[in-house]
Amino acid sequence: SAVISQKPSRDICQRGTSLTIQCQVDSQVTMMFWYRQQPRQSLTLIATANQGSEATYESGFVIDKFPISRPNLTFSTLTVSNMSPEDSSIYLCSVEDKWESSDNEQFFGPGTRLTVL
Amino acid sequence: KQEVTQIPAALSVPEGENLVLNCSFTDSAIYNLQWFRQDPGKGLTSLLLIQSSQREQTSGRLNASLDKSSGRSTLYIAASQPGDSATYLCAAADYNTDKLIFGTGTRLQVFP
Repeated sequence: SAVISQKPSRDICQRGTSLTIQCQVDSQVTMMFWYRQQPRQSLTLIATANQGSEATYESGFVIDKFPISRPNLTFSTLTVSNMSPEDSSIYLCSVEDKWESSDNEQFFGPGTRLTVL
Repeated sequence: KQEVTQIPAALSVPEGENLVLNCSFTDSAIYNLQWFRQDPGKGLTSLLLIQSSQREQTSGRLNASLDKSSGRSTLYIAASQPGDSATYLCAAADYNTDKLIFGTGTRLQVFP
């Protein structure tokens, strides 16, 4: 399975600022996703990061708040813009590699723990 | 709209017990169902994946079953150990979009 890393692993930010989270995979993958896990909640899909085109956002998430880039098949970024305390969450990227397997199994990065003061 | 729920929400057991964690989903049109483990403040570790055409999968002391017609999956943990303490999440993959819909999780504590 792919090895996924995220930077930063955690951060404490002031409200009104923005933070960009990086997700790096050790091999080319077909699909990359971004999830949010709010305190004591389960995971919610934010968007699918599409290589070379705009991300596909889920209901309740917008590009202005969560701009996403995916310049190639191994890297993606998620920016949390104009942060408020409600954005305090763990943000996780995941990957799925349809070239490697037809199982549609997703693998997750270690997550970025964000606290907004 | 797919909804996934897990019971119990929390479980505390002595070491050595056999456990059953339950996962229910409302829409049987799933591609697969995955079970994950999450340690506090960490990412997710994939435990087992069951394709929609399969009935069960096994890995070591873990066994997961799937009954699509009743919308249920169970994760069986044999001879539990303190190292099994974590939150266990199930997720159903939508048949058409591959998107994972996560359950609410079961927080497991195994004490010595």
